[in-house]
Amino acid sequence: AQSVTQLDSHVSVSEGTPVLLRCNYSSSYSPSLFWYVQHPNKGLQLLLKYTSAATLVKGINGFEAEFKKSETSFHLTKPSAHMSDAAEYFCVVGSPGSSNTGKLIFGQGTTLQVKP
Amino acid sequence: ETGVTQSPTHLIKTRGQQVTLRCSSQSGHNTVSWYQQALGQGPQFIFQYYREEENGRGNFPPRFSGLQFPNYSSELNVNALELDDSALYLCASSWDRGSYGYTFGSGTRLTVV
Repeated sequence: AQSVTQLDSHVSVSEGTPVLLRCNYSSSYSPSLFWYVQHPNKGLQLLLKYTSAATLVKGINGFEAEFKKSETSFHLTKPSAHMSDAAEYFCVVGSPGSSNTGKLIFGQGTTLQVKP
Repeated sequence: ETGVTQSPTHLIKTRGQQVTLRCSSQSGHNTVSWYQQALGQGPQFIFQYYREEENGRGNFPPRFSGLQFPNYSSELNVNALELDDSALYLCASSWDRGSYGYTFGSGTRLTVV
């Protein structure tokens, strides 16, 4: 069985300071991991994905995440927050491919607030 | 290249009614998945269609059903609506069951009164 836990429901940072959104996962096999962002009244946008290649994954808008198997973590970081980063962030685990039944498992979400 | 388009954007229905939500996949995608996102929650997987056949289903009752058409567009049908069905319904399309990731639409906001 797979699951994902986002450790913070709400994170508040000042503009220009680093962002850290924490995610732990559970999977009985090598997972595919994703981070999605959802702005108010918008759909989900893929920030980045890990599919067993490089453990440090670079995404869009300056975000990156590091896959740490020993810690079962996939934390999302950004060196410098921008006001436009304020949104809901979801850590997601899935198993795409020929055996995939389509089930992406979403965490509960982390609301990122960016203060001027 | 067009993205995923969902219609309508907003909908209000009465308890007990039936509703059909529509999704146009991104060009070249042959897989469609549907998710329900209740307020303040992460999306929950309803089901997935691959080449017009259901190939995965989440923990939703049979009154949630779907179709995928030859052009890979899709419908989500919900019968006997309940108040708890009020949510944002998201459609996601992909190539080959998500091998290269999923593209999500902006969703349909369903309110059941």
